[in-house]
Amino acid sequence: GQQLNQSPQSMFIQEGEDVSMNCTSSSIFNTWLWYKQEPGEGPVLLIALYKAGELTSNGRLTAQFGITRKDSFLNISASIPSDVGIYFCAGQLRGGSQGNLIFGKGTKLSVKP
Amino acid sequence: NAGVTQTPKFQVLKTGQSMTLQCAQDMNHEYMSWYRQDPGMGLRLIHYSVGAGITDQGEVPNGYNVSRSTTEDFPLRLLSAAPSQTSVYFCASSSGSGDTGELFFGEGSRLTVL
Repeated sequence: GQQLNQSPQSMFIQEGEDVSMNCTSSSIFNTWLWYKQEPGEGPVLLIALYKAGELTSNGRLTAQFGITRKDSFLNISASIPSDVGIYFCAGQLRGGSQGNLIFGKGTKLSVKP
Repeated sequence: NAGVTQTPKFQVLKTGQSMTLQCAQDMNHEYMSWYRQDPGMGLRLIHYSVGAGITDQGEVPNGYNVSRSTTEDFPLRLLSAAPSQTSVYFCASSSGSGDTGELFFGEGSRLTVL
C-alpha cells in the first residue's frame, strides 16, 4: 500500500528547544494533516493543509504543505512539557476516497523540563 | 460534547471468540471509519463508510466485518478472533464535505486476543 515516511521516529529534547519533523511520500496528496496523540487517547487534529505551498500556524505550531504535494513538515517552537506525545502526519491521496487518510508511523516527542 | 464514543475501552478474548466493538457519533457525520494502531505501524484503515447503508474495505479488512444501518453507529465485528488482531482500535468520523480528512477520533478500544 501507499506509504508515508515520517521522521524522526523519536526525539528527546530540552524544554524551550524548537522541534521539526517531516513526512515524505512518492505519491501526490490533496490534503496534509498533523495529529497529536497522548497516552490512552485518540489522535487529535492540530493543523490541516489543503493547498500546495500553504503555511499554517496554530499557536507555537507551524506546518507547511510542500510545493511538490509529496511532503509536509511540522515545527514546534519553544517546546514545553505538555508537548509530549506522538505526532502523526496524515494525507489524503489525490484521487483517493474522500475521508480516507494514510498515516505516517509517528514521531514520539519527549520533553525534559 | 460526546463526539465519537467507543465501547468497550478494554477487552480480552480467547482465540476463536467473536465480539463487536461499538462506535457512535453525535455530530451527524456521514463518513465513519475504523483504524487499528500497532506499535511502530501508525494507524491503518480497516473499513470505512461514506453514509448509512454504504461500507467499503480499507487497507487491512481481513477478519473484520462492518455495517452501517444508521448515520450514528458503525460497529466493527470480529467473527473469529486471532492473536494477530491484538491491537488498539480507533473509530473516527468526519463531515465528509468541505473539511476533507479532518477526522475526529474516539478514545480507542484496546483488544487482547490470547
